[in-house]
Amino acid sequence: DTAVSQTPKYLVTQMGNDKSIKCEQNLGHDTMYWYKQDSKKFLKIMFSYNNKELIINETVPNRFSPKSPDKAHLNLHINSLELGDSAVYFCASSQDVGRLSNTEAFFGQGTRLTVV
Amino acid sequence: GDSVTQMEGPVTLSEEAFLTINCTYTATGYPSLFWYVQYPGEGLQLLLKATKADDKGSNKGFEATYRKETTSFHLEKGSVQVSDSAVYFCALANQAGTALIFGKGTTLSVSS
Repeated sequence: DTAVSQTPKYLVTQMGNDKSIKCEQNLGHDTMYWYKQDSKKFLKIMFSYNNKELIINETVPNRFSPKSPDKAHLNLHINSLELGDSAVYFCASSQDVGRLSNTEAFFGQGTRLTVV
Repeated sequence: GDSVTQMEGPVTLSEEAFLTINCTYTATGYPSLFWYVQYPGEGLQLLLKATKADDKGSNKGFEATYRKETTSFHLEKGSVQVSDSAVYFCALANQAGTALIFGKGTTLSVSS
C-alpha cells in the first residue's frame, strides 16, 4: 500500500482552466503539506494542514486553494491556471504538527502539472 | 528567515568514487537537519538526519555530521554506486517544527 498517494501523476491543461490534485495518506498522520518543485528542482512549501485546520499558508496566489475534507486527505484546487504554474506538486504528511524536528515527513510521488 | 544552501550540480562521478555534497544553513537556534533523496520518478525519501550539534546521521553508506561552528551538514559517501544516482536535498526543520526548508537540490549521476 502506498503511504502517500497523489492523483493524477501527470496533468496537462490549457491556460485559464481550473484543475484539482488529490492527495491521500494512510499513515494515520495528523499533518499534511503541499510543496511545489519548480523546473530547477527547488522545493518550497505552499500549505500545511493539521487535522483539517490550516497551519501554514505561504505566499501563494489566491488561485490556489487547499481543501481538507478529513485528516487523511488534502486536495489542491487551482483556478485560472497560468503558464508559471507548471511544476511538480508534492503532497506530504507527518505525525502531529510541530514535530518535524523529530519525525519524518513522507512524500507522495508528485504530480507533474504542465500548463500550455 | 531560515534557509539552506547546497552546492550546485550536477555532480557526475564514476562508480566507487568518493562523494561530498556541501550544505550550509542559516537559522535561528539549532534546527534539526536532514538529507532527503529523490530517485527518478519518485517522491522524496528521508536519507538521514541529525537533531543536535555534533550528531552524525548515517544510512546506506551515507553520512553527514551536524557542525554548528560552520553551520554545515555535508553529505558524504565513500564509494558511490550507479543506484545512488538521484537528486539529494538538504533540509532543516523550522523553529516551530511545522515545515521543512529545503535547499535547491543536487543532482548526482553515477556511471559504471
